[in-house]
Amino acid sequence: DSGVTQTPKHLITATGQRVTLRCSPRSGDLSVYWYQQSLDQGLQFLIQYYNGEERAKGNILERFSAQQFPDLHSELNLSSLELGDSALYFCASSAENRPLYGYTFGSGTRLTVV
Amino acid sequence: AQTVTQSQPEMSVQEAETVTLSCTYDTSESDYYLFWYKQPPSRQMILVIRQEAYKQQNATENRFSVNFQKAAKSFSLKISDSQLGDAAMYFCAYRGNQGGKLIFGQGTELSVKP
Repeated sequence: DSGVTQTPKHLITATGQRVTLRCSPRSGDLSVYWYQQSLDQGLQFLIQYYNGEERAKGNILERFSAQQFPDLHSELNLSSLELGDSALYFCASSAENRPLYGYTFGSGTRLTVV
Repeated sequence: AQTVTQSQPEMSVQEAETVTLSCTYDTSESDYYLFWYKQPPSRQMILVIRQEAYKQQNATENRFSVNFQKAAKSFSLKISDSQLGDAAMYFCAYRGNQGGKLIFGQGTELSVKP
């Protein structure tokens, strides 16, 4: 157990639908990052939250949104889903005052859009 | 903007032999952090090794070591005495000195032949 919990592990849904992915960071980490990994692709940075506030934005589509709650868990909302949104979505957390330690990753949510 | 390039999409090594995975990066920062992550078939992201840019000494973790050439902006990973369990996708990643997001290369798929 890495300490970062992602739910659900697998999700199958139809095009046009909306889903919510959930992430609980490692205890003590204030930053949460979301990444998308499509088939045979690298990891694309979507968005970062730090202590409840958006800190950085990457290649996140307008159909996607995220937030971080007071208890530091984060949710990634994906709407109007398309076949191309099928991917592995990772959440990671880190302590920003210790950049050498990189991230702790969750085990990912595999989203399949049919 | 910082970029990370892994020029070898696939590599193969014989069990017990040594293999080197290449990574180059581009940055204007003088202080930063570099990482290698392993992603086995389970798709879990596992930190293999990390390096602080201001440290001249190359990092080593058991059978894994790096060759960090700051002037050349090169950060290669050497795996000695390769084992079947080393078969995975390996990602090189960059992080600035202020923390924040990890920037990943496209990955190198390593296969280990018995």
